[in-house]
Amino acid sequence: GAGVSQSPRYKVAKRGQDVALRCDPISGHVSLFWYQQALGQGPEFLTYFQNEAQLDKSGLPSDRFFAERPEGSVSTLKIQRTQQEDSAVYLCASTPRRIKKNQPQHFGDGTRLSIL
Amino acid sequence: SQQGEEDPQALSIQEGENATMNCSYKTSINNLQWYRQNSGRGLVHLILIRSNEREKHSGRLRVTLDTSKKSSSLLITASRAADTASYFCATDGETSGSRLTFGEGTQLTVNP
Repeated sequence: GAGVSQSPRYKVAKRGQDVALRCDPISGHVSLFWYQQALGQGPEFLTYFQNEAQLDKSGLPSDRFFAERPEGSVSTLKIQRTQQEDSAVYLCASTPRRIKKNQPQHFGDGTRLSIL
Repeated sequence: SQQGEEDPQALSIQEGENATMNCSYKTSINNLQWYRQNSGRGLVHLILIRSNEREKHSGRLRVTLDTSKKSSSLLITASRAADTASYFCATDGETSGSRLTFGEGTQLTVNP
């Protein structure tokens, strides 16, 4: 595709519900990242995939957060039993090759998640 | 937690003026990148400077890097109303692996 695509763009859920956020990276991109951006803050790293392998999940804030990329393309970030502090914009980014130094990341427009 | 800090947090200037934003970081880095984010949108990569470089130019952008002070600056010359956005620095380092660590951003407003 022309760019990284994320869906839905907006998601409202009640506290305690499960949500699933989708990321379609640029076609052929090997590396995929998820970030969480709170209002007025910079993005914070959540997790990183190289193809289907999740190589770094150290940024996931709790075991309620789970990410997968089973076929090495589309990725889903799932949040179980959502809490109000999960309200944020969730950004996905991809890069064309195995991550190496000096590569810019290509970002989607994010999913704005609001937990009521 | 964020390792980068941008300064100032907000900057308001008139069209045609120059805008300077600063970024500081704490750990050793491989490179430093600047990104721009329009309201409600994703981040767009602007420029990357490697740890062994001191200055880099791209169009109206000039980036400097001082690794001894662990700081960087982004200069936008002859600003336009369309430059209104949030600007973030991001680093990747020897110990951070593939992840980018972002600062808290500078909100730039360019008034026509």
